[in-house]
Amino acid sequence: KAGVTQTPRYLIKTRGQQVTLSCSPISGHRSVSWYQQTPGQGLQFLFEYFSETQRNKGNFPGRFSGRQFSNSRSEMNVSTLELGDSALYLCASTGQGANSETQYFGPGTRLLVL
Amino acid sequence: AQRVTQPEKLLSVFKGAPVELKCNYSYSGSPELFWYVQYSRQRLQLLLRHISRESIKGFTADLNKGETSFHLKKPFAQEEDSAMYYCALSGRTGFQKLVFGTGTRLLVSP
Repeated sequence: KAGVTQTPRYLIKTRGQQVTLSCSPISGHRSVSWYQQTPGQGLQFLFEYFSETQRNKGNFPGRFSGRQFSNSRSEMNVSTLELGDSALYLCASTGQGANSETQYFGPGTRLLVL
Repeated sequence: AQRVTQPEKLLSVFKGAPVELKCNYSYSGSPELFWYVQYSRQRLQLLLRHISRESIKGFTADLNKGETSFHLKKPFAQEEDSAMYYCALSGRTGFQKLVFGTGTRLLVSP
């Protein structure tokens, strides 16, 4: 099976702009989670989607939002970008059954806000 | 509050030496505990989970509920074990929210 893919891999934006990141899960996986990774804060959970519904949410401001489509692909959006949003954004997909607790991570999208 | 603590940022050992990467957690309940690993230029991947009780690449980890620890161990380190290791917990089965520690970089020298 193909792994989790994320597009784009790199992005440069300026403060105040908005950005949309995309994640395609492993075929058959219905859960997609998003994480932000920074040198200062480490890996932090953003939100999780399952069957097009947000099932869990981390402690991030409302500028961070997401959605999931019927084919399980997911997007996350960050509006009014701030310098502190510069980070590696990871998504992970999870299947069902015996490995239902295993998250498979994508390569990440590296966002730089200038 | 859910919290995972990895006290060592860097652990440097020689090939063949034993390795122990420490992980302590705080959670009011019965968490699921995991170790994830990230090798150079590769994506984050699951190494092992406590519920499986497996030994992966020679690594084992035992959940000690009394000490709230989930230390990762390997009796003889190999150079290819050099990587970033993250301990993580999940609080509710079926809800994919992982709380990660800050990670420990393991460097195995020849």
